[in-house]
Amino acid sequence: QVQLQESGPGLVKPSETVSLTCTVSGDSIASHFWAWIRQPPGKGLEWIGYIYYSGNTNYNPPLESRVHISIDTSKNQFSLKFNSVTAADTAVYYCARGAEDYGDYYLDYWGQGTLVTVSS
Amino acid sequence: SSELTQDPAVSVALGQTVRITCQGDSLRGFYGAWYQQKPGQAPILLLYSKTNRPSGIPDRFSGSSSGNTASLTITGAQAEDEADYYCNSRDRSRHLVFGTGTKVTVL
Repeated sequence: QVQLQESGPGLVKPSETVSLTCTVSGDSIASHFWAWIRQPPGKGLEWIGYIYYSGNTNYNPPLESRVHISIDTSKNQFSLKFNSVTAADTAVYYCARGAEDYGDYYLDYWGQGTLVTVSS
Repeated sequence: SSELTQDPAVSVALGQTVRITCQGDSLRGFYGAWYQQKPGQAPILLLYSKTNRPSGIPDRFSGSSSGNTASLTITGAQAEDEADYYCNSRDRSRHLVFGTGTKVTVL
């Protein structure tokens, strides 16, 4: 069974960088693509970006200047770095496995999510 | 990236049928997917490529698509179906986009 688990600090100061890691079990990270999504408290889902095994990435344009996603195939992990954070970046951050079906993309397995609070 | 618009909230009587819609330009080229999210939980995939259900998803959840609109229908709504529902698609730049979300209340 595929499982994803986010890890990282729960509290970050404004202007700092959030670093989160997603550890994948039950599947090789060499398959599919791997995504980060966030959800501010009481609000909807926002796609951040995704990465392929090859290292190719695709980011949400409004966030692209502050985001970097990387992959570590030896550890079956992928990571998110999000810099210059403000209170508006406070959210639950999810990692997910992406899949493709005749050109359609969907996210079939999700981590439980980790709350990141930006506060001084 | 493209936007996907959903009605903020709908209600349905127990055992009745409700349809949730998702509108956006990206749906003219792609079917998209649907997710269910209960309070304090991660979203789960309900449907993908219009009509495909992952293993374990009840068949009371079904999908359809026409033009720029995708729809999720719950036939015979159960109390446990009370949740937030999100659609999701991609655009031609392979950017993902989520719908604004619909809160379903089962009366």
